[in-house]
Amino acid sequence: QKEVEQNSGPLSVPEGAIASLNCTYSDRGSQSFFWYRQYSGKSPELIMSIYSNGDKEDGRFTAQLNKASQYVSLLIRDSQPSDSATYLCAVNVVNFGNEKLTFGTGTRLTIIP
Amino acid sequence: EPEVTQTPSHQVTQMGQEVILRCVPISNHLYFYWYRQILGQKVEFLVSFYNNEISEKSEIFDDQFSVERPDGSNFTLKIRSTKLEDSAMYFCASKLGRQETQYFGPGTRLLVL
Repeated sequence: QKEVEQNSGPLSVPEGAIASLNCTYSDRGSQSFFWYRQYSGKSPELIMSIYSNGDKEDGRFTAQLNKASQYVSLLIRDSQPSDSATYLCAVNVVNFGNEKLTFGTGTRLTIIP
Repeated sequence: EPEVTQTPSHQVTQMGQEVILRCVPISNHLYFYWYRQILGQKVEFLVSFYNNEISEKSEIFDDQFSVERPDGSNFTLKIRSTKLEDSAMYFCASKLGRQETQYFGPGTRLLVL
C-alpha cells in the first residue's frame, strides 16, 4: 500500500509569517508531486506541482522536493487569512503504467490575524 | 479558463436506489478519474478511465459501481444499489497526459438515507 503521510494539524500561524507544511511518501518510484488546497466543503484546488529535486517557487508559495528522503514540503510566505484551509499533499503513484493520485490526510492551516 | 463540471451538486437518495453522478471533463483531456471523500477523511481514488476503458480501480469500486463515457464530453459514475456508507463527496478529475496535473470538479455531495 503506497502511503502519503502529513501532520493533520491544526497548524496556527500569525498573519504575515511563514507557514511550513510537510509530507512524506512511501513509493520510491513516484515522479510527480502536488499540493492542493481544500476549503471546507469544496474540491481540491491545485497550488503547486513539483517533479524535480530542489525548490520551485510560484509567488508566495515554494514547494521543495527531496526524493532521496521521500519528502515534499510547501512554504507559504506572508501568510494571509485567506490561506486558512486544509492543504493536501498528493503523490502520483504508477501501477503497471496506470497513474492515480494518492492523498495524505491533509494539514489544516489557520492564519491568525 | 476550462474547468471540470459536475452535476448535481447535491443528491439525496434512499438506500438501495440507483444514482448517476455526471461529469464533464476538460475538453482536450484524455485521462478521467473518480475520487471520493467521506466527511472528515482523506480523498480516495475510485477509478481511472482512459481510451474508453477502465485503467485501474480500487477495492472500493466493487460490482455496484460502474463508469461510462457515453459521448465525447460526459463521464458518469453509477452506483447501482446505494448503501449508507456510500454517503460522501464524489469528485471527478481529468488530466491531459501522463504525469500531468489532475484538475478536480466541484464535487457531488451524496447522502444516502
